[in-house]
Amino acid sequence: QVQLVESGGGVVQPGRSLRLSCEASGFSFSDYAMHWVRQAPGKGLEWVAVISFDGRHKYDADSVQGRFTVSRDNSKNTLFLQMNNLRAEDTALYYCVRDWGEGGIDFSFDSWGQGALVTVSS
Amino acid sequence: MLTQPHSVSESPGKTVTISCTGSSGSIASNFVQWYQQRPGSAPTIVIYEDNQRPSGVPDRFSGSIDSSSNSASLTISGLKTEDEAEYYCQSYDSTNQGVFGTGTRVTVL
Repeated sequence: QVQLVESGGGVVQPGRSLRLSCEASGFSFSDYAMHWVRQAPGKGLEWVAVISFDGRHKYDADSVQGRFTVSRDNSKNTLFLQMNNLRAEDTALYYCVRDWGEGGIDFSFDSWGQGALVTVSS
Repeated sequence: MLTQPHSVSESPGKTVTISCTGSSGSIASNFVQWYQQRPGSAPTIVIYEDNQRPSGVPDRFSGSIDSSSNSASLTISGLKTEDEAEYYCQSYDSTNQGVFGTGTRVTVL
């Protein structure tokens, strides 16, 4: 079955950087677009970024543009989120999410990891 | 932006309908999905492409689109205590950015 396991979360000071990883298994990782979605404590869901199956196409939310970069290594079945210049408002549980559509970006999310907690605080 | 009611509540066996209203553009332009999130758990998809149910989701869950009101709806019939959760609608916009609704808390009385 599909498994998505995030890692790399932690406590970081404002202005610093952090990189999240998501190790995928149970499916052909290189055939699917992948997303990051976050959820601040006690708040709703916020879409963060998507990368196409081959890494050629990337889109991200206005709130993280210029600070966060999504990437992937299909040889290692791993998705990344490089987060720079972190702010207090980036504090959230970050989910790694598989796109429903095989070979495209459907913007529907059929499998979710359990999340990695990022806390930005001085 | 997708706006949902903050909460809805109903008794077991009854029906609830959650609305999801788009503020800009036509909600019918891109497919709408619905997710269920129980406390302490990751979301799971219950409706995709406006009105399709993934395998394993009971047919008590149904989705629809109303272009006249620029809204999507999730209907849960035969309400069960296990349906108590937060529900989010979701789509994407013309700039290829995903967007979630504000979320609706469903309480089974």
